[in-house]
Amino acid sequence: LAKTTQPISMDSYEGQEVNITCSHNNIATNDYITWYQQFPSQGPRFIIQGYKTKVTNEVASLFIPADRKSSTLSLPRVSLSDTAVYYCLVGDQLAGNKLTFGGGTRVLVKP
Amino acid sequence: EAEVAQSPRYKITEKSQAVAFWCDPISGHATLYWYRQILGQGPELLVQFQDESVVDDSQLPKDRFSAERLKGVDSTLKIQPAELGDSAMYLCASSSPRTALSSYNEQFFGPGTRLTVL
Repeated sequence: LAKTTQPISMDSYEGQEVNITCSHNNIATNDYITWYQQFPSQGPRFIIQGYKTKVTNEVASLFIPADRKSSTLSLPRVSLSDTAVYYCLVGDQLAGNKLTFGGGTRVLVKP
Repeated sequence: EAEVAQSPRYKITEKSQAVAFWCDPISGHATLYWYRQILGQGPELLVQFQDESVVDDSQLPKDRFSAERLKGVDSTLKIQPAELGDSAMYLCASSSPRTALSSYNEQFFGPGTRLTVL
C-alpha cells in the first residue's frame, strides 16, 4: 500500500480556506485517494475521494495533479466545528478496500 | 440515517481480566471491520469480515484477541487477558459492496469503545 505523508498540524481562523497537502510518491495505477475526518471521541467519517484532477462535493474539494504523487484537500470558509483530524489514505479499490491510516493532520480552527 | 452501533461506549478493566466489545453494522453491509486507535495515532485495522468469514486478521494479536461474526451480522471482539497496552479506542466500521453507481465503498464508523486497562 502506498505510504502517505501529511503535516502533523495546522492552525486556521474562522472563515479562512484550509488546504492540506498529502504526499504519496509511490501511488499505484489502481489507487484512489480518500480523505476522512475525525472529531474527538468519534469514529472517522468519509469526506471525499478522487482518482485524478479535481473533485468537489458539498464539504470539500480535492485537487490531484497529473502525476498523482500528491493531493490537496481544500476546506472552504472553515468554522470552529471543522476542528478535527484529517486523514489522507491511498489504496487500491480492488484490493479488498483495506484502509491504512497514517497519523493525520490536526486542524485547529480559531475564532 | 443508519448508523453503526457499538457497546459499551466506555470500559474500564484491570489487567488480566477479559473484556468484550459488540458491534452492530449498518443493515445490509456485508463487510465489517474492527480497528484499534491509540491516542494520538490513526486507526489500525485488526480484523476484516466478509459476511461471517475473516478475510484479514494479519494485525490481530491472536494470542489474546479473538473476533467473531457468527451469523454474518453483528460482531464481538474479545480480549483475554487484557494488558495495560491494550488501552485504546476500539472502532467498528462497515461497508457495502461497490455498485455500478459507486466507485468507492465508503466505510461507516461507529462511535467506538474506549477501553482503559488499569
